[in-house]
Amino acid sequence: QVQLVESGGGLVTPGGSLRLSCAASGFTFSDYYMSWIRQAPGKGLEWVSYISSSGSTIYYTDSVKGRFTISRDNAKNSLYLQMNSLRAEDTAVYYCARGYKFGGNWGQGTLVTVSS
Amino acid sequence: QSVLTQPPSVSGAPGQRVTISCTGSSSNIGAGYDVHWYQQLPGAAPKLLIYGNTNRPSGVPDRFSGSKSGTSASLAITGLQAEDEADYYCQSYDSSLSGSVFGGGTNLTVL
Repeated sequence: QVQLVESGGGLVTPGGSLRLSCAASGFTFSDYYMSWIRQAPGKGLEWVSYISSSGSTIYYTDSVKGRFTISRDNAKNSLYLQMNSLRAEDTAVYYCARGYKFGGNWGQGTLVTVSS
Repeated sequence: QSVLTQPPSVSGAPGQRVTISCTGSSSNIGAGYDVHWYQQLPGAAPKLLIYGNTNRPSGVPDRFSGSKSGTSASLAITGLQAEDEADYYCQSYDSSLSGSVFGGGTNLTVL
């Protein structure tokens, strides 16, 4: 079955960096667009970024452009999100999801807390 | 303020039917973009419930159904069960924002 496992979250001070990872299994990873979606504590969902199967097409929501970088390694069945210049408003659970038009499968999420 | 508008909460008794609305505009639902629905149980990750306006992924009970008309969409749940207590989110694409957008979420309480 499809499994997505995120890692790399934690506590970081404002202006700091984190790299999130998502390990995929149970499907042909290289065939699918992949996305990162986040949820601030007690809030709704926000689509952060997606990347095409080959990595040639990438989307970012405006609030993270220039600070976040999505990437993938199809040989390792892994998705990444490099997050730089982190702000308090980036505090959220970050989910890895399969697809880009909609999230067909989701991981359990990893919590990123930006605080001094 | 979410681009897609959902009621903050709805409730119903076991066995009843409830609907959750999702209202958009001419740049998203009204432009013909598909609407998708997710269920988020307490403490869990969201799960795809309906995709492409009306389609259920394998394993989703047929008590859940979706519809779309004009600039709005709806999720209907029949035969309400205690296990349906969750937050529900709609999602579509917005051409003005050039990206996917979610509704603010609706909390369903089973009385």
